Amino acid sequence: AQRVTQPEKLLSVFKGAPVELKCNYSYSGSPELFWYVQYSRQRLQLLLRHISRESIKGFTADLNKGETSFHLKKPFAQEEDSAMYYCALRGAGNMLTFGGGTRLMVKP
Amino acid sequence: DVKVTQSSRYLVKRTGEKVFLECVQDMDHENMFWYRQDPGLGLRLIYFSYDVKMKEKGDIPEGYSVSREKKERFSLILESASTNQTSMYLCASSLSWGGQAVEETQYFGPGTRLLVL
Repeated sequence: AQRVTQPEKLLSVFKGAPVELKCNYSYSGSPELFWYVQYSRQRLQLLLRHISRESIKGFTADLNKGETSFHLKKPFAQEEDSAMYYCALRGAGNMLTFGGGTRLMVKP
Repeated sequence: DVKVTQSSRYLVKRTGEKVFLECVQDMDHENMFWYRQDPGLGLRLIYFSYDVKMKEKGDIPEGYSVSREKKERFSLILESASTNQTSMYLCASSLSWGGQAVEETQYFGPGTRLLVL
């Protein structure tokens, strides 16, 4: 079975501070990991995927197979980063399994 | 630009009613999905469809059914609505299972918030 865990339901940081949203997964095969973001009153959208090794809006995420983690990081948080963030895993059957989500609040 | 639309943003229904949630995508995507989104539980897959008239159960199909008569439209049906089906329902679509990330990226609709009284 595949599972995604986001241990923090709420993360509050000040503007300019570093931010790390944690994501741990369990999956016996070779996973593909994603981060989705939902800004207030907007639809859920893909932020980044690990196979692209890209940086989007200053966010990066590295897949650590040893620790089964895919934490999302940004060195300097901005107020517009405030949103709901979901980590997702694509494993067996090509389906996405989502974590419970973390609400990021960036205070001025 | 991919467009996924859902027929209603808000719905209020009574226990026992039959409820239809409609989703339409305009990009000729093969795959369509229905999720429900609940605080602390994230998104959970109800059903998905990989072709017209084809459907597969997701993680929580009980109490739901789906219909895909046309490629662009995927309907979620609550046969007899119950209060525990009060939730935000999200529809998504993706191009195919081609193996390329760009094809498998899921695009989401705005969601339908359903309240069952």
